[in-house]
Amino acid sequence: DTAVSQTPKYLVTQMGNDKSIKCEQNLGHDTMYWYKQDSKKFLKIMFSYNNKELIINETVPNRFSPKSPDKAHLNLHINSLELGDSAVYFCASSQDRRTEAFFGQGTRLTVV
Amino acid sequence: AQSVTQPDIHITVSEGASLELRCNYSYGATPYLFWYVQSPGQGLQLLLKYFSGDTLVQGIKGFEAEFKRSQSSFNLRKPSVHWSDAAEYFCAVGAQGEYGNKLVFGAGTILRVKS
Repeated sequence: DTAVSQTPKYLVTQMGNDKSIKCEQNLGHDTMYWYKQDSKKFLKIMFSYNNKELIINETVPNRFSPKSPDKAHLNLHINSLELGDSAVYFCASSQDRRTEAFFGQGTRLTVV
Repeated sequence: AQSVTQPDIHITVSEGASLELRCNYSYGATPYLFWYVQSPGQGLQLLLKYFSGDTLVQGIKGFEAEFKRSQSSFNLRKPSVHWSDAAEYFCAVGAQGEYGNKLVFGAGTILRVKS
């Protein structure tokens, strides 16, 4: 069983569209994250949820809206996509900061 | 603010040679340190972690890392590199923010293995 799974793996869309990425973890972790990996492979946290509650929002444009329907799911919705949103988005989960984060396979978003 | 520096963007080693990837961190409290590996088109896999105790930690795939508080370093080592080790390696520190926890990553080091 995949511990952290994201869908879709690839997403190509036009500027101005709205898209969603879904993430599910079956590890029973309390905390889930979205990280963005840019074209230079730099990884930076976007959001963190703990038990469905948003606890970290790292100055991400409000076109990005995470939603956590339950502890095992964290979705990312992006409105009015821009070229600069092209990146790989990783979902991750962990029990707390003293335990490692488990990452999904990533969603490569390409905005054209 | 927390930060992680990986000074080497690219490293090329011969298969069978030893490897050391450098990582320096900046963090005010006790650091929780991690090394992840990313193969092309894949997610991140944890190689090893340091929380406390023995400063030399063993990981998967024959990797080890040594925590040196005096140098703020957590370098990754492997005695004999295999061609399958070619990937990008990320060092990270687990940071306790005001509102929650997060990983702060270095910029990564791309490892190339030549036969």
